[in-house]
Amino acid sequence: AQSVAQPEDQVNVAEGNPLTVKCTYSVSGNPYLFWYVQYPNRGLQFLLKYITGDNLVKGSYGFEAEFNKSQTSFHLKKPSALVSDSALYFCAVREDGNNRLAFGKGNQVVVIP
Amino acid sequence: GAVVSQHPSRVICKSGTSVKIECRSLDFQATTMFWYRQFPKQSLMLMATSNEGSKATYEQGVEKDKFLINHASLTLSTLTVTSAHPEDSSFYICSARPSGGAHNEQFFGPGTRLTVL
Repeated sequence: AQSVAQPEDQVNVAEGNPLTVKCTYSVSGNPYLFWYVQYPNRGLQFLLKYITGDNLVKGSYGFEAEFNKSQTSFHLKKPSALVSDSALYFCAVREDGNNRLAFGKGNQVVVIP
Repeated sequence: GAVVSQHPSRVICKSGTSVKIECRSLDFQATTMFWYRQFPKQSLMLMATSNEGSKATYEQGVEKDKFLINHASLTLSTLTVTSAHPEDSSFYICSARPSGGAHNEQFFGPGTRLTVL
């Protein structure tokens, strides 16, 4: 079975400081990993994905994530947070051969001006 | 980029009525679409997988007679909440996977807020 854990409910960070949102996963086979962002009353917007290749993945809006197979992690990072980055962030995984995405519970990110 | 739309964006209805939500892929064809439900400050819960031309596959615990799904074409899937009750109030989000595209791609609609009085 595939699953995702996002251990923190909320991440608070000062504007301009580095932002990290944690994600660990569990799959039976090869993982496909995704990060999405959701603003209030909106659908999910794709940020980035890891399928294969380089462990460091760069995505939209200056975000990046590093795939770490030994730690089964895929933490989302941004070097300098903006107030507009305040939103709900979801990590998701799909194992090879499975048609469905498994989502984490989400992390509320609050960037303080 | 691939765009998925949902209509309506929000709907308020009386208890006992039925509500239909449309999910459209605007610039691509989608053999497979997914319907999710999201409660406030919670994650997305997959309700069903909708396949064009065949019956939807429902997740455990989701009543197929309550949540009717029709995937009539490669660009349209509909979710009908039948005999809606206040506990059906939620945010419903669809996503679409491009036909013949990378198996990992999935694009999400903007969601529909359903409120049942």
